[in-house]
Amino acid sequence: SSELTQDPAVSVALGQTVRITCQGDSLRNYDASWYQQKPGQAPLLVIYGKNNRPSGIPDRFSGSSSGNTASLTITGAQAEDEADYHCNSRASSGNHYVFATGTKVTVL
Amino acid sequence: QVQLQESGPGLVKPSETLSLTCTVSGGSIRNYYWSWIRQSPGKGLEWIGYIYYSGGTNYNPSLKSRFTISVDTSKNQFSLKLSSVTAADTAVYYCARELASSGYDAFDIWGQGTVVTVSS
Repeated sequence: SSELTQDPAVSVALGQTVRITCQGDSLRNYDASWYQQKPGQAPLLVIYGKNNRPSGIPDRFSGSSSGNTASLTITGAQAEDEADYHCNSRASSGNHYVFATGTKVTVL
Repeated sequence: QVQLQESGPGLVKPSETLSLTCTVSGGSIRNYYWSWIRQSPGKGLEWIGYIYYSGGTNYNPSLKSRFTISVDTSKNQFSLKLSSVTAADTAVYYCARELASSGYDAFDIWGQGTVVTVSS
């Protein structure tokens, strides 16, 4: 079983807000990073650290964390946000990285 | 800006060794950690391991020790070797740059990925 878990799928109405969560014990000690992946494309980093966005990532993407749960929030979801979102962090041991299985976000 | 490009054979026979190379362009390989990550068809991402530009490595303990990552700073490249491949190693293989040397656990630049199929 994966050390990090995500819900398989979530849907959101256009312009509404969606929160994607990632759970795991290691998240109590390590920050999560979040990646957007569209079909046939490489993952794209959207959030890292406490709540940092790489250059070019819209500010409708934000990150937060509490206890063993990290969250990615898309405020005012757009059609182009439809994608798989992957959570990543260190394993509980701290000496290697793990990914969760990803959440498919559908924008209705 | 920094770009990564994977190269290698798209088809490998079972029991053979897979060799992939990632070429870093637009910047130096120095002072960063560099990872290999794979994604099996229809599945999530799996971190394989990383190498620091000076040669230190770390691998995913969940994977059997069939992986070897090396670096060639003179060519601005790093490589992955996977021995004794099986059909379970069929995946898209990505190389990626880590932000660990900047204090963050994240992969900020990715290659486009290379499809590897293991089949006789």
